[in-house]
Amino acid sequence: GAVVSQHPSWVICKSGTSVKIECRSLDFQATTMFWYRQFPKQSLMLMATSNEGSKATYEQGVEKDKFLINHASLTLSTLTVTSAHPEDSSFYICSAQRESYEQYFGPGTRLTVT
Amino acid sequence: GENVEQHPSTLSVQEGDSAVIKCTYSDSASNYFPWYKQELGKRPQLIIDIRSNVGEKKDQRIAVTLNKTAKHFSLHITETQPEDSAVYFCAASIGAAGNKLTFGGGTRVLVKP
Repeated sequence: GAVVSQHPSWVICKSGTSVKIECRSLDFQATTMFWYRQFPKQSLMLMATSNEGSKATYEQGVEKDKFLINHASLTLSTLTVTSAHPEDSSFYICSAQRESYEQYFGPGTRLTVT
Repeated sequence: GENVEQHPSTLSVQEGDSAVIKCTYSDSASNYFPWYKQELGKRPQLIIDIRSNVGEKKDQRIAVTLNKTAKHFSLHITETQPEDSAVYFCAASIGAAGNKLTFGGGTRVLVKP
């Protein structure tokens, strides 16, 4: 149990376009999902907390109008990178929280903006 | 907010030896401490966690200890194997459901055969 999927696994887009990344909990319901960004050889940086049915909570320094998060159901959260630029290129990982504490991570999405 | 420091940043051990990774946290309200293992290009995987009401937890070759007074916790891997080579992250959070994790900087572990 506790399987989290993420789609797509990698995407290449042109500067100025938008990209949507999906995060799904496959075998459990997750009232809370999290979105992280990870640069090469670095730790995970929390971008935002996504709660089902309510607005996401963004970490300081993360532009909410650029990184749109929607948590429409207990098994799906989406992250849309709007007007992407090369500096947005990164590894984006979601996690879903099960029960009281445990977070399980998706496989990540490698975004390259050209 | 919470700050988690992790040491060492790299650790090289001989196969069969033990590996120890230490983390300290700043917020005494933190009560949940998971450890994740991340192989290159893959997702972080939860390998063990501990809550503040216990001091030690063990799962086969992996153990975690927690010292609430000193605000530090450690991961111990015994009888290391080459497949233990990965980056390990500690984390801390406050409260229960919906509470965010603050991660340490990671430890790159290399087990030499």
